Amino acid sequence: EPEVTQTPSHQVTQMGQEVILRCVPISNHLYFYWYRQILGQKVEFLVSFYNNEISEKSEIFDDQFSVERPDGSNFTLKIRSTKLEDSAMYFCASSESGGRIDEQFFGPGTRLTVL
Amino acid sequence: GNSVTQMEGPVTLSEEAFLTINCTYTATGYPSLFWYVQYPGEGLQLLLKATKADDKGSNKGFEATYRKETTSFHLEKGSVQVSDSAVYFCALSTDSSYKLIFGSGTRLLVRP
Repeated sequence: EPEVTQTPSHQVTQMGQEVILRCVPISNHLYFYWYRQILGQKVEFLVSFYNNEISEKSEIFDDQFSVERPDGSNFTLKIRSTKLEDSAMYFCASSESGGRIDEQFFGPGTRLTVL
Repeated sequence: GNSVTQMEGPVTLSEEAFLTINCTYTATGYPSLFWYVQYPGEGLQLLLKATKADDKGSNKGFEATYRKETTSFHLEKGSVQVSDSAVYFCALSTDSSYKLIFGSGTRLLVRP
């Protein structure tokens, strides 16, 4: 069964460093998403991506964040200068088409720890 | 704005007990409603969904009915198993935005 994969499973970094979180969405999907979950809090939407551009982003997704689809399979989230409050579990998701009824398939997550 | 409210956990039940996890929502228009489940060490998996009022979503013995009059989408299961122990998330999406808006999650622990 096709699945979304994410690497690494756990990333530890120093405050101020850049990190890149990687995701491989399901191959025939066209819409891609990043969410995050700070420990003990809600899963929060960060950004959605379609046709090589951002279609929607949240207030959390400021200039420190960027997303890219560098090739036909990977979808990355970059944090330029990490802060302590960026420590969270980051989930990538993909869907076959956009739309409120369409299922989003989630990866297992990357736990980011900023020291 | 749009939001989802879930009952606080953890919920601890004995095997074969009846489960209800409450979920209410606030949304403009006609949202779609979802229950996602997260097993330990895994990502979020869609459990069931309903896309219009009075629809009932069902899967693996779980059910939830889209109630527009009470803006609710409560998750139920008649007889839980130890393997149902997980965190359950209620979520919605709308026509104006395809992002999922999640509730805070409810941890379920089923004891043998």
